[in-house]
Amino acid sequence: EIVMTQSPATLSVSPGERATLSCRASQSVSSNLAWYQQKPGQAPRLLIYGASTRATGIPARFSGSGSGTEFTLTISSLQSEDFAVYYCQQYNNWPRWTFGQGTKVEIK
Amino acid sequence: EVQLVQSGAEVKKPGESLKISCKGSGYSFTSYWIGWVRQMPGKGLEWMGIIYPGDSDTRYSPSFQGQVTISADKSISTAYLQWSSLKASDTAMYYCARLDGDSFFNWFDPWGQGTLVTVSS
Repeated sequence: EIVMTQSPATLSVSPGERATLSCRASQSVSSNLAWYQQKPGQAPRLLIYGASTRATGIPARFSGSGSGTEFTLTISSLQSEDFAVYYCQQYNNWPRWTFGQGTKVEIK
Repeated sequence: EVQLVQSGAEVKKPGESLKISCKGSGYSFTSYWIGWVRQMPGKGLEWMGIIYPGDSDTRYSPSFQGQVTISADKSISTAYLQWSSLKASDTAMYYCARLDGDSFFNWFDPWGQGTLVTVSS
């Protein structure tokens, strides 16, 4: 099974600042990686797929990069509605798709 | 609008059976895989299994094989997740989500709102 490790576990950021979230795979997943946002009491929402393609309706301040084993989600200027938990997921290794444990972005 | 709407919260006792549902709308239900994802209290996301409603082809995560049953009724655009004998450790939020493409190299979008299952004596 491919282990997805996200860091940091918690990221404290002030509104308007940049946030950089990391996701590392224990073996290569090519570009078969997605990022999801989950707010308290809500279902996850797709942000990024194919490591760097924004999903429909996702603001341009969200960007994804990386391939192979190292991936980054960047939020260029945090808005109040962006404080949430973010998960990465690899879909390269069927049938063992796996998620990272999540990074919580909180208000500093 | 593509939408998945799940059945309401359930409270059950250990040993009881349960079937929860996920109804799709706004797209061709028979043409996309539907998956189920577990989120235990305060924890992360775990993929459980998927079904192709067009022909009921079902695949399970090795971690959940034999623990749950996934099914679908394409006539009413609804997928199901069921347990024959619940355990306290099945207490979790369960999400359904559509696999956004026709191969397994795809992501989940959109997601249902979730069904909270509580198992307690």
